[in-house]
Amino acid sequence: ENVLTQSPGTLSLSPGERASLSCRASQSVSGGYFAWYQQKPGQAPRLLIYGTSSRATGIPDRFSGSGSGTDFTLTISRLEPEDFAVYYCQQYGSSPLTFGQGTKVEI
Amino acid sequence: QVHLVESGGGVVQPGRSLRLSCAASGFTFSTNAMHWVRQAPGKSLEWVAVLSYDEYHEYYADSVKGRFTISRDNSKSTLYLQMNSLRVEDTAVYFCVKDLRDAISWVFDPWGQGTLVIVSS
Repeated sequence: ENVLTQSPGTLSLSPGERASLSCRASQSVSGGYFAWYQQKPGQAPRLLIYGTSSRATGIPDRFSGSGSGTDFTLTISRLEPEDFAVYYCQQYGSSPLTFGQGTKVEI
Repeated sequence: QVHLVESGGGVVQPGRSLRLSCAASGFTFSTNAMHWVRQAPGKSLEWVAVLSYDEYHEYYADSVKGRFTISRDNSKSTLYLQMNSLRVEDTAVYFCVKDLRDAISWVFDPWGQGTLVIVSS
């Protein structure tokens, strides 16, 4: 199983700042099959990024994804108040697909 | 606009059964792969099962294989999850999720609001 470890566990930032969230895989993720989701309290997750760097429909361009192999990053260029949430990474390059434990972005 | 509404959750004793339903609208349900993903309280996400649009491909997480069955009724635009031999560790919010693509791509978009299943004696 490809274990995903997200860091940091919590990121304390202010609106307007840049956020960089890391996700490290225990094995190389084939094909760049990597996604990011956002979840706000009491809500369902929302797809942000798939295929490492493709933004999902309706996702603002302040969200970007990058990486390869075992190291992937979600960057939020300038935090908006609605961006404070928990973010999960997911790999789907190997079975079973796996999720990270989440990074909380808080004010 | 895609709309997924889960139902059927509740409190059940260990060893008992429960069936979840997901009513879909806003897209052509019969041409899309569909998944169930769950989230235990305060925990991360865990993929549970997927069913292709034509029911030809059906896959399960090892943790539920042999106990859970995913099915669909394309005439009713409804996805189901039959959960048997429930365990305390099956306690979670269960999300009905549309696959990003028509075929199984393993990318989840969008998600329903979820239904809570509590397994407790």
